Amino acid sequence: DAKTTQPNSMESNEEEPVHLPCNHSTISGTDYIHWYRQLPSQGPEYVIHGLTSNVNNRMASLAIAEDRKSSTLILHRATLRDAAVYYCILTQGGSEKLVFGKGTKLTVNP
Amino acid sequence: NAGVTQTPKFQVLKTGQSMTLQCAQDMNHNSMYWYRQDPGMGLRLIYYSASEGTTDKGEVPNGYNVSRLNKREFSLRLESAAPSQTSVYFCASKQGQGSRYGYTFGSGTRLTVV
Repeated sequence: DAKTTQPNSMESNEEEPVHLPCNHSTISGTDYIHWYRQLPSQGPEYVIHGLTSNVNNRMASLAIAEDRKSSTLILHRATLRDAAVYYCILTQGGSEKLVFGKGTKLTVNP
Repeated sequence: NAGVTQTPKFQVLKTGQSMTLQCAQDMNHNSMYWYRQDPGMGLRLIYYSASEGTTDKGEVPNGYNVSRLNKREFSLRLESAAPSQTSVYFCASKQGQGSRYGYTFGSGTRLTVV
């Protein structure tokens, strides 16, 4: 599985935008970019995923670099509930496996 | 909308005891999964069922068995629990096979084997 690199931790203030980076320089053409988050003592929660084009949903936006070697998860207005560990995961097109790394721990300050 | 429901939420077992973790989803998803998460680590895939009637091994299947009872339900059985199986177990489902779909996870079963 291709590897992703994320900062260990980031901080943000409530109601400000948050940009969470992810590097995946060894991504292959069939790898999807998935983002999940995990709040303390809860199961992972799907955030967003994409292949080549930028994606938007009610939770977040995913900006994918033109060469696909990096991506950024954008939370438009952080809330205290967004404090979680965010995982950037690459999955091959036919794979049934999500390989979770250590992720980025996001702290949101009031 | 319940999503993925896991029971029990907590369990303590003695070494050698057996138990079954239950998982049910109400989203009409075809694929279901069992993961475990050890402290400070990411999730690891134990078994999965790409569709009703099929099951396949993941990364760490030893010591576990699974049953896809019907489209809604996917159970995980520990025949003879060991302390190394102390973990948080997550069930997940998704609409179909492959990476085009996102997973929905349950809230987990915290298992301690003493």
